[in-house]
Amino acid sequence: EPEVTQTPSHQVTQMGQEVILRCVPISNHLYFYWYRQILGQKVEFLVSFYNNEISEKSEIFDDQFSVERPDGSNFTLKIRSTKLEDSAMYFCASSPEVNEQFFGPGTRLTVL
Amino acid sequence: GEDVEQSLFLSVREGDSSVINCTYTDSSSTYLYWYKQEPGAGLQLLTYIFSNMDMKQDQRLTVLLNKKDKHLSLRIADTQTGDSAIYFCALSRNAGNMLTFGGGTRLMVKP
Repeated sequence: EPEVTQTPSHQVTQMGQEVILRCVPISNHLYFYWYRQILGQKVEFLVSFYNNEISEKSEIFDDQFSVERPDGSNFTLKIRSTKLEDSAMYFCASSPEVNEQFFGPGTRLTVL
Repeated sequence: GEDVEQSLFLSVREGDSSVINCTYTDSSSTYLYWYKQEPGAGLQLLTYIFSNMDMKQDQRLTVLLNKKDKHLSLRIADTQTGDSAIYFCALSRNAGNMLTFGGGTRLMVKP
């Protein structure tokens, strides 16, 4: 059964460094998403992406964040200058042109 | 914005039914989901219901929606130890829109 994959599973970085989190959505899906979950808190929406552009974004998704679909398979989330409070589990999701969102296993980002 | 609440913890015995509850504030939510998260794993979509439905059954899972009370529940029949996990309800207004999640309910199944 096809599934969303994410790499790396765990990323450790120094404050102020740039990180790129990678996702391979399910083939033929059209909508792509990033969510995050800070330890002990709710899963929060960051951004959705459709037809090669951002379709919706939350207040969390400020100028430090960007997304890209550089080729036909990858979907990336870049954080330009990481802060301590960016430490979280980051989930990628994709959906076909209906309502189900399928999530990847997540990347745990630790900012020191 | 939308507020989605769940109780933190539920403990049941193997073979019993589990009922996990979720309340929400935004009556314009049209898609309502249940996700399961096992330790170290991602969010697995279990089932969903449209707001024009009151009930949906899928094998051992039954979803009930009370739109008047803005209350969503997930019933797991014949609960097994493998059902131990965190269960999240999530809502969206339209297909393709962002999901708003509850805080999750940790289900513990005792043998």
